Amino acid sequence: DVKVTQSSRYLVKRTGEKVFLECVQDMDHENMFWYRQDPGLGLRLIYFSYDVKMKEKGDIPEGYSVSREKKERFSLILESASTNQTSMYLCASSFAQGKSSGANVLTFGAGSRLTVL
Amino acid sequence: GESVGLHLPTLSVQEGDNSIINCAYSNSASDYFIWYKQESGKGPQFIIDIRSNMDKRQGQRVTVLLNKTVKHLSLQIAATQPGDSAVYFCAEIDNAGGTSYGKLTFGQGTILTVHP
Repeated sequence: DVKVTQSSRYLVKRTGEKVFLECVQDMDHENMFWYRQDPGLGLRLIYFSYDVKMKEKGDIPEGYSVSREKKERFSLILESASTNQTSMYLCASSFAQGKSSGANVLTFGAGSRLTVL
Repeated sequence: GESVGLHLPTLSVQEGDNSIINCAYSNSASDYFIWYKQESGKGPQFIIDIRSNMDKRQGQRVTVLLNKTVKHLSLQIAATQPGDSAVYFCAEIDNAGGTSYGKLTFGQGTILTVHP
């Protein structure tokens, strides 16, 4: 069964701490994404990557950075966590267009719920 | 249907009834649409998709209808079961632009509650 695995389901951090959220997929997908999900605001794209070492800003990149050193792994970094970054973070992956008829179908991880105190 | 705001639309049905969840999309250039289901504490899961050259697609107990004229998408669930209780999102994808990843926009979601 295909999988996107997020290493931490629940984290509690303090303001100013550096936070790493890790995501690994085993489907050989080219594209990987980080979203945050907040009540009433839906899913908002933070960053995505379409290849190793490549990254693109999404709709709300401020306060975040990402790293993709290997195809299967995409990390989200909060350099200095703030209380307004308390949220559910969802990682997703997909094939590149042209490689699969379902290229735009994102497979999501279970989510990482981050609380910043 | 879906809307922007602090409160998600809700739909309550009895077990065995049919459910219809609606979604209004915004981009007339969107050419691919997906419905996702998100159960409590889990990530969204793919249910069914439809391309813009179709107006109907059926899966197991689910049907998606697309009306491009009014930019409306609906998900019909037949014989709804308690296990169908979840938040349902539509997503629209604009594949123009020649990138490997189309521009994907999610709707706010609708909460479906199925009563036994």
